[in-house]
Amino acid sequence: GENVEQHPSTLSVQEGDSAVIKCTYSDSASNYFPWYKQELGKRPQLIIDIRSNVGEKKDQRIAVTLNKTAKHFSLHITETQPEDSAVYFCAAIGNQFYFGTGTSLTVIP
Amino acid sequence: GAGVSQTPSNKVTEKGKYVELRCDPISGHTALYWYRQSLGQGPEFLIYFQGTGAADDSGLPNDRFFAVRPEGSVSTLKIQRTERGDSAVYLCASSLRGGHQETQYFGPGTRLLVL
Repeated sequence: GENVEQHPSTLSVQEGDSAVIKCTYSDSASNYFPWYKQELGKRPQLIIDIRSNVGEKKDQRIAVTLNKTAKHFSLHITETQPEDSAVYFCAAIGNQFYFGTGTSLTVIP
Repeated sequence: GAGVSQTPSNKVTEKGKYVELRCDPISGHTALYWYRQSLGQGPEFLIYFQGTGAADDSGLPNDRFFAVRPEGSVSTLKIQRTERGDSAVYLCASSLRGGHQETQYFGPGTRLLVL
């Protein structure tokens, strides 16, 4: 984790609002950036990923943006729903495999 | 097909004992990864197999930890002389071809508690 910083560690939003989670990384060899959702006691599930030749990617209510120059990438969830409540992890993968420390998202109905 | 499976789901052992944790990857996946996840933390990389060989074992914390994948499918993570600090969830993942831009599919993990 220390090569990937993830913020915030906890996030509460009202249902229907947007949620943004940010990650920064230090290894310039990183070129693949997946995001995982982990519900309590369950396995991490890939929700979206981005590769270094793309600046933004969207899949329905989820989008990820990447700024390679600044070495940061973000997850955006729009129109949040209670079932979006989980812990979200970013990862920066290149020569090494680094995960962030997680963001616990709570969507309040 | 079935996803990545791990056994046991929970393991309680005493300090100093030896444990083995098993991972069955998705059928046909050539790459297999082991991670350790402590409470409130993200997965921490341990080792990565490409086929039968360890392509990167730089994450293994010390020589008490060892992993094998003799036939290129099932893998076993072995921990000798367990310590209380080894308590964590051990996650396994697999990907189709390996490489560093491949999607990794995770198993449910083995929760290890060292008393």
